[in-house]
Amino acid sequence: GQSLEQPSEVTAVEGAIVQINCTYQTSGFYGLSWYQQHDGGAPTFLSYNALDGLEETGRFSSFLSRSDSYGYLLLQELQMKDSASYFCAVNSAGNQGGKLIFGQGTELSVKP
Amino acid sequence: DAGVIQSPRHEVTEMGQEVTLRCKPISGHDYLFWYRQTMMRGLELLIYFNNNVPIDDSGMPEDRFSAKMPNASFSTLKIQPSEPRDSAVYFCASSGTGGTQYFGPGTRLLVL
Repeated sequence: GQSLEQPSEVTAVEGAIVQINCTYQTSGFYGLSWYQQHDGGAPTFLSYNALDGLEETGRFSSFLSRSDSYGYLLLQELQMKDSASYFCAVNSAGNQGGKLIFGQGTELSVKP
Repeated sequence: DAGVIQSPRHEVTEMGQEVTLRCKPISGHDYLFWYRQTMMRGLELLIYFNNNVPIDDSGMPEDRFSAKMPNASFSTLKIQPSEPRDSAVYFCASSGTGGTQYFGPGTRLLVL
């Protein structure tokens, strides 16, 4: 089967750093994406890792280790507006359009 | 660009009725995806198209669900007959060769 595991919820305070982990087991792997979804909204793309290592985009960074089937999203200088659900997703099909398999999502609550 | 457009944004219907959800992808994108999101099952891929051709419909729950893409700028997801367990948020997403998926605002469906 194909599965992605991530924590169901994480709580942190404003200004802190939080790491959301994702482990995956899929029949194919071409890359790991992260999406953010606010309550009542649509998922929006945050980052993508096809190769091992760290990708940095402003306050957000994403890491991938393909040998460990593991990745994480790192959020720094947390703000209240970062309270949302975060999904990791594996591109398992390899075509350029990117069929994605999503994890169940991690609900991040940022407290003052 | 206006982004992915979905209609209606909300739909309330009675069990047994036909429901049609509509999606206009981002111009130039050649992949289109239909997802369903519920608390219990998370974000599930139902079907996706490449250049208007269905590629993978393994996520379509049963024969009551059907999807079409008659041209590059329009797709429909139809449920006939609808059942209360179909109540969910249905998202359409599109992507180009870069692979990043852009989601529409979703259709919130409630079947009574």
